[in-house]
Parts: sequence; C-alpha cells; structure tokens
Amino acid sequence: ETGVTQTPRHLVMGMTNKKSLKCEQHLGHNAMYWYKQSAKKPLELMFVYSLEERVENNSVPSRFSPECPNSSHLFLHLHTLQPEDSALYLCASSQGRGPRLNTIYFGEGSWLTVV
Amino acid sequence: SQQGEEDPQALSIQEGENATMNCSYKTSINNLQWYRQNSGRGLVHLILIRSNEREKHSGRLRVTLDTSKKSSSLLITASRAADTASYFCATDAFGQFYFGTGTSLTVIP
Repeated sequence: ETGVTQTPRHLVMGMTNKKSLKCEQHLGHNAMYWYKQSAKKPLELMFVYSLEERVENNSVPSRFSPECPNSSHLFLHLHTLQPEDSALYLCASSQGRGPRLNTIYFGEGSWLTVV
Repeated sequence: SQQGEEDPQALSIQEGENATMNCSYKTSINNLQWYRQNSGRGLVHLILIRSNEREKHSGRLRVTLDTSKKSSSLLITASRAADTASYFCATDAFGQFYFGTGTSLTVIP
C-alpha cells in the first residue's frame, strides 16, 4: 500500500466511449502526476498538477483530459480513444516540485484496453 | 530529453548472484532515484542518491553516481527470486521526473 489508490484497475472501452480514471492520494502531497506506460517504451509523463494547478502538459492529445478538483484527487477523462492508447496508466504523487529531494509515490495503475 | 536509459534491457541470473544494472542520462540533475516494478503493478521507490553523492547503500542495494559521465549503477547483492522485477532509474531535474525503459531482472531459483 503506497498511499496512492487508482480505480478502476482494469478498464475495457470502445473507441466511442467516455470513461474516467480516478486517483486518490492519502499522503498529504501537493503534486500529482499521470504517466502512461506502454510496452517497450519509457514511462511517458502526461500531466503534472501542483497545488491543483496544471503545470505540465506534454503534448498529450485532447482525447485525454485531466481534472484535479483538490490536492488529493486526480482524474483522467477519456474520450474517443484509439487502440494505440491501450496501456497502463499510472498515477503518482510527491510532496512538491522544484529543487528538493522528492520521492514520487505511484499507484498500482489502471490497465486500459481500447477495442 | 532527461530520460534515463537503462542497460542491459534484460538480465537473467541465478539466485545468490549479484545483479548490476546501469543508467545513463543526458543533462544535469538534482538527484537520481531507482524504482522497482513487479509485473503489472505500480513502481516502488528503492533509493535516492543526490547529485553531490557518489555512493549510497540500502540493505542489499548499492547505488553509485558519476555525474561526470552522467551515469548511475544499481547493484543488488545476494539476489533472491523475489527480486525478479523491472528496475527503472528516474532523473529528477527540479521536479520533473523522467524514467527510462527499465531493466527486466529475472532471478532463477
């Protein structure tokens, strides 16, 4: 138990569906992240939120829409995805950002399959 | 890119042997961290080494950092079957965490 909880653990969706991934952290952290992990590729940083403000958006397609209603919750809204979006989506949190000794804590991930 | 590149991509050893994996990165960093990922699970933090440190130990783990070569190594001594997992280095450049593709370690009982 890392203190970062992701739901659902597995999701199968059609290309026309709308679904959401949810992440909740119980660590009192100020920064939250979405990463995408595909086979044979490095973890891709998708979004970073610091104090509920989006501070990073690494050219992610608009079919992925993040939402951070408060510092403990992070959502990833999915709409009209493509089969190549099938991957493990990892949520993470850290105490903060910037020049400090941050350790990043990951959830167990949400396996997404787009059919 | 700040991405770390782990080497080798895959490593298979007998239980009790030592496992060494390497990480290279491209630009200046604040610190470097190693993470472990069991199949299909999230990543778990193992150890952090600051940019001004050269070596750090934690249990059976030994990490070295050579900032002049922009490289780090992770040594797992007296490996166990339970060490089977993927290992990632992550470079922290002032709050941006970048990961490599990882080294897949298999420890054969």
